[in-house]
Amino acid sequence: AQSVTQPDIHITVSEGASLELRCNYSYGATPYLFWYVQSPGQGLQLLLKYFSGDTLVQGIKGFEAEFKRSQSSFNLRKPSVHWSDAAEYFCAVGPGYSSASKIIFGSGTRLSIRP
Amino acid sequence: GAVVSQHPSRVICKSGTSVKIECRSLDFQATTMFWYRQFPKQSLMLMATSNEGSKATYEQGVEKDKFLINHASLTLSTLTVTSAHPEDSSFYICSARGLEGQPQHFGDGTRLSIL
Repeated sequence: AQSVTQPDIHITVSEGASLELRCNYSYGATPYLFWYVQSPGQGLQLLLKYFSGDTLVQGIKGFEAEFKRSQSSFNLRKPSVHWSDAAEYFCAVGPGYSSASKIIFGSGTRLSIRP
Repeated sequence: GAVVSQHPSRVICKSGTSVKIECRSLDFQATTMFWYRQFPKQSLMLMATSNEGSKATYEQGVEKDKFLINHASLTLSTLTVTSAHPEDSSFYICSARGLEGQPQHFGDGTRLSIL
């Protein structure tokens, strides 16, 4: 079955500290992987995506993610978080070039920043 | 970057009324639009997928007569919640995608409250 697991419901880090948000997926075919961020009461903004090629993907706002096929993981990282990074983060997986373009979202990880 | 506009951002109405939510792609042609529902502190649940000029495909358990979707042009899709009741109160988010394989771009969501 296709699924996305974000094992951490809520994470708190200090401003300036490094961050890693975990994401594991189960998918039958080669996955397309995404990380989205959602601020309170708003829609989702795409941080980065992985389709193929270099397994280390750079995104906006200083975020990066690494695709590890052997571990079925796509963890999101940032070397130094800012207070404005406090939000809900969703990992998502979707099919490649197929007619069924549904994206499956993880349950989300809420990030709080300690001053 | 790609922009998706969703309107209204918030609506409060009495039980029994119908509510229409618009989703517009402002700077690209959206061949496919998606409608999601998000309950508090939960992830996004796909309700339906609509392709321009054809009937929407609803996910299992979503009442198509309750949630009417129209995707009449490449830049506009509408979701109408008919005869809304308090249990329909939720955060509704649309997304739009251009060509197959491209990422979805999300609107800012609509907070629907039924009294």
